[in-house]
Amino acid sequence: DTGVSQNPRHKITKRGQNVTFRCDPISEHNRLYWYRQTLGQGPEFLTYFQNEAQLEKSRLLSDRFSAERPKGSFSTLEIQRTEQGDSAMYLCATTDSSYEQYFGPGTRLTVT
Amino acid sequence: AQSVAQPEDQVNVAEGNPLTVKCTYSVSGNPYLFWYVQYPNRGLQFLLKYITGDNLVKGSYGFEAEFNKSQTSFHLKKPSALVSDSALYFCAVRDQGGKLIFGQGTELSVKP
Repeated sequence: DTGVSQNPRHKITKRGQNVTFRCDPISEHNRLYWYRQTLGQGPEFLTYFQNEAQLEKSRLLSDRFSAERPKGSFSTLEIQRTEQGDSAMYLCATTDSSYEQYFGPGTRLTVT
Repeated sequence: AQSVAQPEDQVNVAEGNPLTVKCTYSVSGNPYLFWYVQYPNRGLQFLLKYITGDNLVKGSYGFEAEFNKSQTSFHLKKPSALVSDSALYFCAVRDQGGKLIFGQGTELSVKP
């Protein structure tokens, strides 16, 4: 257990529905990252926050995706109008200034 | 652009034998390199990092990695493999913004 928690661990939804995932970081970590991992691939960067500011978004993050970190603590990732191609593991990672990132267990999304 | 390559999809080793998981990188500037391990349906666990200093980096669970600037490699090694080392291993490089760029992963299988 790294100290980063994610909820839910699994989510099954029907195409077209909206879903929201939550990440609770290690408390003193000011940077929070979201990644997406599909089967057989390495994680791919989606977006990151320094405190409450969203500083970078990947081109993978279409306008159906939005992320927030309202008080610089927990973060949410919302996907609107889900598509089957959104099925993946969504990983959250946090860090202070020590370079390594600590990953949560992930949320596995299945869109049917 | 920063990139990482893991040339082997799978590595098979007998328990007690040494193991090597290969990684090569392409970066502009000094590389910040990482190894992570992922067990089934779990998030990624940090193993070790190279930022600067000695080319041989020691990490968790008896793993070590050798940074070779001339060959742009950062291979993961362990002198004596355990069955419990069987997992998916990812090499990553940190870009200037702080996000990690991962290789495609190498499945390590250690047989008794």
